[in-house]
Amino acid sequence: TQLLEQSPQFLSIQEGENLTVYCNSSSVFSSLQWYRQEPGEGPVLLVTVVTGGEVKKLKRLTFQFGDARKDSSLHITAAQPGDTGLYLCAGARMDTGRRALTFGSGTRLQVQP
Amino acid sequence: EPEVTQTPSHQVTQMGQEVILRCVPISNHLYFYWYRQILGQKVEFLVSFYNNEISEKSEIFDDQFSVERPDGSNFTLKIRSTKLEDSAMYFCASPWGAGGYTFGSGTRLTVV
Repeated sequence: TQLLEQSPQFLSIQEGENLTVYCNSSSVFSSLQWYRQEPGEGPVLLVTVVTGGEVKKLKRLTFQFGDARKDSSLHITAAQPGDTGLYLCAGARMDTGRRALTFGSGTRLQVQP
Repeated sequence: EPEVTQTPSHQVTQMGQEVILRCVPISNHLYFYWYRQILGQKVEFLVSFYNNEISEKSEIFDDQFSVERPDGSNFTLKIRSTKLEDSAMYFCASPWGAGGYTFGSGTRLTVV
């Protein structure tokens, strides 16, 4: 069983603060994706990282894939109320023939104005 | 970004009844997935469909579930005899871009 552990589960911060969300596993993943999910909606892809040590930036969001491809982080700079939502990491292990995604349990972020 | 369309958005059914959830994935994609999310829990993989065959399924996808492609563009997930614990959001997804997936907006299934 491939598990992805996300931390923290909940995060409430003030507008303008920085934050980091972590996604950890004992398994190696071929790729790791970050999604954002609004209530009653499907997950929306933010980024995919595939190379160990890879760093990708999406405006104020910075995503990093661990060197060993077992963990990832999402850093948000100067958070805004519009960043409020559920952030999910999900990994795929295509080297084992499994293309299906394993999801983490999510980090619920609330940014107070 | 192309859309994945799901219908209905919400379905309420009596325990023991059959339900069919429908999805129109991104066109010309061979891979197609169903996931579910019980309220407050993780998104869980159910089944993947490749080139008109099931290519992978989870332990959740038991004999009560089936997936079909009734025509060229539509996919269905059928639950033969619903149980209370089948209540969840059901999402279909198509691979999109560099390793990512596009998810539909989901069907909320409520079994009463």
